[in-house]
This record gives sequence, structure tokens and C-alpha cells, in this order.
Amino acid sequence: DAGVIQSPRHEVTEMGQEVTLRCKPISGHNSLFWYRQTMMRGLELLIYFNNNVPIDDSGMPEDRFSAKMPNASFSTLKIQPSEPRDSAVYFCASSQQSWANVLTFGAGSRLTVL
Amino acid sequence: AQSVTQLGSHVSVSEGALVLLRCNYSSSVPPYLFWYVQYPNQGLQLLLKYTTGATLVKGINGFEAEFKKSETSFHLTKPSAHMSDAAEYFCAVSEASGTYKYIFGTGTRLKVLA
Repeated sequence: DAGVIQSPRHEVTEMGQEVTLRCKPISGHNSLFWYRQTMMRGLELLIYFNNNVPIDDSGMPEDRFSAKMPNASFSTLKIQPSEPRDSAVYFCASSQQSWANVLTFGAGSRLTVL
Repeated sequence: AQSVTQLGSHVSVSEGALVLLRCNYSSSVPPYLFWYVQYPNQGLQLLLKYTTGATLVKGINGFEAEFKKSETSFHLTKPSAHMSDAAEYFCAVSEASGTYKYIFGTGTRLKVLA
């Protein structure tokens, strides 16, 4: 298995632009997580999907953030409009169960908003 | 509510020396405990986990951790540090009763000196 695949690996954009981050989880995993990592706040859970359904989006910072999982093999995290404070590394992770199982992380998408 | 405290954001050890990374947790219910490692520009990878049973858990790359309920600790150790161990290490906790919410510590960056 190729693991959790994220794209793009790096994104540099200007304030106000739309950003879309993509994730392909491991086949057979039914849980998907989006995390954000910053120096100031560490790892923050943004949203959690189970069987393609959003279960908890309480970590999504603002309405500018949205996430979708149209099928078991694809998820997107969209920021519109982007702001400099959104600069961070965004990780997608998947697992076979929603708890107590290992999270397999992607390599991350480093976002820089100028 | 659960929480994780990692003592020491930076730890330096000499190659061949003992590695000790500290993690204390707070949980009102039996916890599941994890250590993840993050190498530069990569996602987090599982080192080891404790769910139930034996309190001394062995992981990859010679690391191990011991769950001490009385001390609410889950410290990570390795008898002899190798240069390739230089990375950031994260302790995490989730509820054993079943939850998708992993609480990550703020991380400890390990530096190995030649």
C-alpha cells in the first residue's frame, strides 16, 4: 500500500485565494482525520469522518474552512478565502476504526499564505 | 477531560547514551497511550501503543515505554541512542472506552550528538 497520499506537498498562495488540499486514505480504512500543525498550537484535529460521513467538525476554525469526503478514497479540505494565519502544515490521517487504532498519517501539505 | 504533558520540548543526548522522553497524562477513564515519531518533512509514524495488558510496551527501532498508572506516566526510552533517532516525538492519549479524539502532546525534539 502506498500509504496516505496528500497533495500538494507545498502550496504558496496569496491572501484571499482559494486553497484545496487533497487526501487519499489507505484502502480499507473507514476513518479519516484532518489535522493542522503549527508551532504555536501543535497538532489540532480539524475534522473527523467515519464511513465518509463528517462526525465532528468542531475543530474547524471558521466558516472559511470546509471539508468533504465524497467517497471512501478521497477527501478535500478547502480554505476560502485564505489568510496568512492559515499558514501551517495540514495532515490527513486514516485508520481502520475510529478509536484505539493506529493513525496513519500522510506526509502533509505545507501551506504558506502571503 | 484528557490531557498530555511532555516535559522538555528539546532533549539532547550523546550517541550511545540512554534516551528518556517524558510523558504524563490526565484521564478520568482508562486511557490508550501512544508514541509517534515525526522525521523532518514527514507525517507522524507510530512507535508503539498501550491499550491493555502488559504495561511494558516494545516498539520499533528499539524503543519501549512503560505505562505506570500510579504515576500517570508513559515515558519513552531507548537504551542506546543512534544518530537516526533525531526527530520529534509525540505522546498521545485517547479514551479506552472508545473515541476518535486523540490528544497529542506538544512534542519533544530529540537531538543526538556525535
